[in-house]
Amino acid sequence: EAGVTQFPSHSVIEKGQTVTLRCDPISGHDNLYWYRRVMGKEIKFLLHFVKESKQDESGMPNNRFLAERTGGTYSTLKVQPAELEDSGVYFCASSILAGGQQFFGPGTRLTVL
Amino acid sequence: SQQGEEDPQALSIQEGENATMNCSYKTSINNLQWYRQNSGRGLVHLILIRSNEREKHSGRLRVTLDTSKKSSSLLITASRAADTASYFCATDSPNDYKLSFGAGTTVTVRA
Repeated sequence: EAGVTQFPSHSVIEKGQTVTLRCDPISGHDNLYWYRRVMGKEIKFLLHFVKESKQDESGMPNNRFLAERTGGTYSTLKVQPAELEDSGVYFCASSILAGGQQFFGPGTRLTVL
Repeated sequence: SQQGEEDPQALSIQEGENATMNCSYKTSINNLQWYRQNSGRGLVHLILIRSNEREKHSGRLRVTLDTSKKSSSLLITASRAADTASYFCATDSPNDYKLSFGAGTTVTVRA
């Protein structure tokens, strides 16, 4: 069974540019989560999808971040415009049930110069 | 503020020794999970312990949970060089499925 995949693995962009991160959850997992770890701090929750609906987006830092999950399969997280403080590792996770074991992807390392 | 806090922040041990790390949290939980992150890689799920469980084993891993003290411990027995990684505890609360992570414990196993 394929695990959670994320693309790209690493992205380097300049401040002010736009970046789109993609997450493909494990097939059949209705629940999809985005997290990030910035500058050695703890991993923090961004948002939670149940199928295509946003269940909880309380962790989204500001309106420069837009997450979508059209069709309830893969998800994208767009940062526009990117700022220096957005640098970090963005993780995606999926689970069969909300509250169940979350399986994490390898992460996308974002560097904003 | 973070829900889980690991202790110690860093741990260096000799191969074959046991490694113990602790996690404390603040609010009521549904589950507590431990994850490992090898350098530059993703998070690997190690073990999940539910709030009504007190101890769980998986291979060389032993996790305990004390809900009265709001704490958990992860024991890795007979450590190997491949156990070198950062270890994180993460909690979720009843009806709130997002995970709250601590800052992690960095474990270095010396050959």
